[in-house]
Amino acid sequence: GQNIDQPTEMTATEGAIVQINCTYQTSGFNGLFWYQQHAGEAPTFLSYNVLDGLEEKGRFSSFLSRSKGYSYLLLKELQMKDSASYLCAVIRGGSYIPTFGRGTSLIVHP
Amino acid sequence: GAGVSQSPSNKVTEKGKDVELRCDPISGHTALYWYRQRLGQGLEFLIYFQGNSAPDKSGLPSDRFSAERTGGSVSTLTIQRTQQEDSAVYLCASSLAAQRGDEQFFGPGTRLTVL
Repeated sequence: GQNIDQPTEMTATEGAIVQINCTYQTSGFNGLFWYQQHAGEAPTFLSYNVLDGLEEKGRFSSFLSRSKGYSYLLLKELQMKDSASYLCAVIRGGSYIPTFGRGTSLIVHP
Repeated sequence: GAGVSQSPSNKVTEKGKDVELRCDPISGHTALYWYRQRLGQGLEFLIYFQGNSAPDKSGLPSDRFSAERTGGSVSTLTIQRTQQEDSAVYLCASSLAAQRGDEQFFGPGTRLTVL
């Protein structure tokens, strides 16, 4: 089985930096996704990590440590439009199906 | 089309009725996934297709749920004898292939309400 843990809710100020953590326990590992989901909309892809380290993509970066079963999504220069749910999804070994965490609801305030 | 489409966007039905939800994946995408998302919850995997076959049906909650895919394209998720706990948003996603790292593109979902 798999356990994926993320904080339920976070708040941050416009212009600030926020780090959303995801820890997981899985049998084998085939990669980790981060998706963004605005209220009432479909999830959209942000990042995919399969090797340890940091991947940077504009204002968003994603980090992975396989030995620790840990990832984080870093959002810089926060904007109001970044208010959304951020979903961590893990693919276990021998599978191609991502298992999603419950998501972290991020609220950005002025 | 340009993206994944689903129909209907909203469906209200009475308990005990059957419903059919449709998904049109991105053209050329061989992998297709169905998820369920209850209010305030994460995505719950239901079933995945590679072409027309379903290698993984492990997420289907009961035998009232079934899905098929024809021509390697359109998929239909059928829920028989709907129950109130079936109320949720049903999301479909497709990817180029079911390979490690392939990004999933999601449709807008069908919001199902069972009265």
